Amino acid sequence: AQSVTQPDIHITVSEGASLELRCNYSYGATPYLFWYVQSPGQGLQLLLKYFSGDTLVQGIKGFEAEFKRSQSSFNLRKPSVHWSDAAEYFCAVGLSTDSWGKFQFGAGTQVVVTP
Amino acid sequence: GAVVSQHPSWVICKSGTSVKIECRSLDFQATTMFWYRQFPKQSLMLMATSNEGSKATYEQGVEKDKFLINHASLTLSTLTVTSAHPEDSSFYICSASFRGETQYFGPGTRLLVL
Repeated sequence: AQSVTQPDIHITVSEGASLELRCNYSYGATPYLFWYVQSPGQGLQLLLKYFSGDTLVQGIKGFEAEFKRSQSSFNLRKPSVHWSDAAEYFCAVGLSTDSWGKFQFGAGTQVVVTP
Repeated sequence: GAVVSQHPSWVICKSGTSVKIECRSLDFQATTMFWYRQFPKQSLMLMATSNEGSKATYEQGVEKDKFLINHASLTLSTLTVTSAHPEDSSFYICSASFRGETQYFGPGTRLLVL
């Protein structure tokens, strides 16, 4: 069965420090991979996506993610965190072969940024 | 990125009434829209997949007679919560699928049933 795991429920990081959010997936085919960010009371904003090609993907707001097939991972990184990055982050897998367009979401990682 | 709107953003209603939530893709045609429900501090739970011109496909455990979905055009899908009860209070989010790949999400509708 397909699954998406975000091992860290909550991460606290100092402003200016680097951030890495982990995402592991279990899926038989090559997945479409996404990272979304959700601010309190808001919908989800797409940060970046991976379909194929270069395994290092650049996104908005200075975020990047690296697809590692051997580790079934798609970790999100940012070199220097800003206070405005405090939010909930969701990793998602696009189930493109059997359920076109459907997503499976991880449980989310709450990021708190301290001064 | 593509823009998806939802209306209303907030709704408070009495128990037993019905509430309609609209989801619109503003700058692209979405053949598929999705409806999610999100409880506080939890992930999104897919409720149903809405395809333009056909019946919605509901996920297991979601009552199709309670959550009516209509996808009348390529830019509009509606979710009607019928005979709402307090346990239906939640944050409802729609998304529109662009080219069957990326999903763009609306800002969500917070429903409170008294």
